[in-house]
Amino acid sequence: GQQVMQIPQYQHVQEGEDFTTYCNSSTTLSNIQWYKQRPGGHPVFLIQLVKSGEVKKQKRLTFQFGEAKKNSSLHITATQTTDVGTYFCAGEGNTDKLIFGTGTRLQVFP
Amino acid sequence: GAGVSQSPRYKVAKRGQDVALRCDPISGHVSLFWYQQALGQGPEFLTYFQNEAQLDKSGLPSDRFFAERPEGSVSTLKIQRTQQEDSAVYLCASSQFSSTDTQYFGPGTRLTVL
Repeated sequence: GQQVMQIPQYQHVQEGEDFTTYCNSSTTLSNIQWYKQRPGGHPVFLIQLVKSGEVKKQKRLTFQFGEAKKNSSLHITATQTTDVGTYFCAGEGNTDKLIFGTGTRLQVFP
Repeated sequence: GAGVSQSPRYKVAKRGQDVALRCDPISGHVSLFWYQQALGQGPEFLTYFQNEAQLDKSGLPSDRFFAERPEGSVSTLKIQRTQQEDSAVYLCASSQFSSTDTQYFGPGTRLTVL
């Protein structure tokens, strides 16, 4: 079945450093969504990418969807302690359901 | 409602007990999803409703798991004869129309089976 992997599994950065998480799907995706889950919280929708090669920005966050629509990345510039959490990508293939990635847990040290 | 709500927030069950978890989606949202999230893992799809119709239940791990949404709004996930491996957070999400729309998650129910 469809699998979505993310790397790295964990990332510890100093506040102000940049952070990137990569998402790879075993199958072509119709769209990809990104979610953030704070410790003890629930996933919160960040963004959805639909087009091949699409790039979207939200303040310090930059999201990319690969040309082949099988991979995606999230880059955070100049991390802040408020960025702490686990970032999940979630891809939709040829079924109605979202397949969540394994997640990247980000820890930011002040 | 303002958001997706779930109850109870925490549930402790003895192995073999039946449990029922409730989800109140955002008012008017057509689609409703149940996910299971084990500690340190991403949410795993269980089942999906569009209004009262259960369109996909391929993620339900066994026939002990049953979900319903009889009037197309509130949904209940029932687990019969709970086992220790059922311990997880059960998340409910709703979206306005289809599965491709933004999904809004509830706070989850943390189930612990002793």
